[in-house]
Amino acid sequence: LAKTTQPISMDSYEGQEVNITCSHNNIATNDYITWYQQFPSQGPRFIIQGYKTKVTNEVASLFIPADRKSSTLSLPRVSLSDTAVYYCLVGSTGTASKLTFGTGTRLQVTL
Amino acid sequence: NAGVTQTPKFQVLKTGQSMTLQCAQDMNHEYMSWYRQDPGMGLRLIHYSVGAGITDQGEVPNGYNVSRSTTEDFPLRLLSAAPSQTSVYFCASSGDRGGEQYFGPGTRLTVT
Repeated sequence: LAKTTQPISMDSYEGQEVNITCSHNNIATNDYITWYQQFPSQGPRFIIQGYKTKVTNEVASLFIPADRKSSTLSLPRVSLSDTAVYYCLVGSTGTASKLTFGTGTRLQVTL
Repeated sequence: NAGVTQTPKFQVLKTGQSMTLQCAQDMNHEYMSWYRQDPGMGLRLIHYSVGAGITDQGEVPNGYNVSRSTTEDFPLRLLSAAPSQTSVYFCASSGDRGGEQYFGPGTRLTVT
């Protein structure tokens, strides 16, 4: 399974765009990139998933360069409620059930 | 749909006791997993299942057993509780191999 590396923590002010980058140098051809968000005392919640180029949904965008060795989760105009831990996972359809989470990126949003 | 439910929410055990953490999902998902999360850490996979009757070990399976007799239920058994098993346990399910995982609210377990 591909190993991922993320910053341990990030700080932002409310209203700013936040970009969290995940490095996955040994990503396999069949691997997808998935991001989860976790609030304290809750289970993780799916944010977005992509394979290549750019994916956008109502809460975030995911940018994946051509070599797919990294990906960037973009959160537009964050609010205090976006303070959470964000996890980047990499795995294929054959490994989705045994993906493991790293320590993630702790995002702190302040006024 | 209730989604993924877990019981109990909180549990305190003495060292050596055994217990079963319950997990159920009503989304007809084939794939289910158990994770543990220690304070300040990410989630670590304990066991997972790709369908009824099929289970496999994850990253940290020692001290835990699972079974999957139905699609809906995926209980996690602690055989002989140890203080090192103090953690928050999350159950998750997924409708397809590459898809979104839905997590339960967690069970906070303390072993004294």
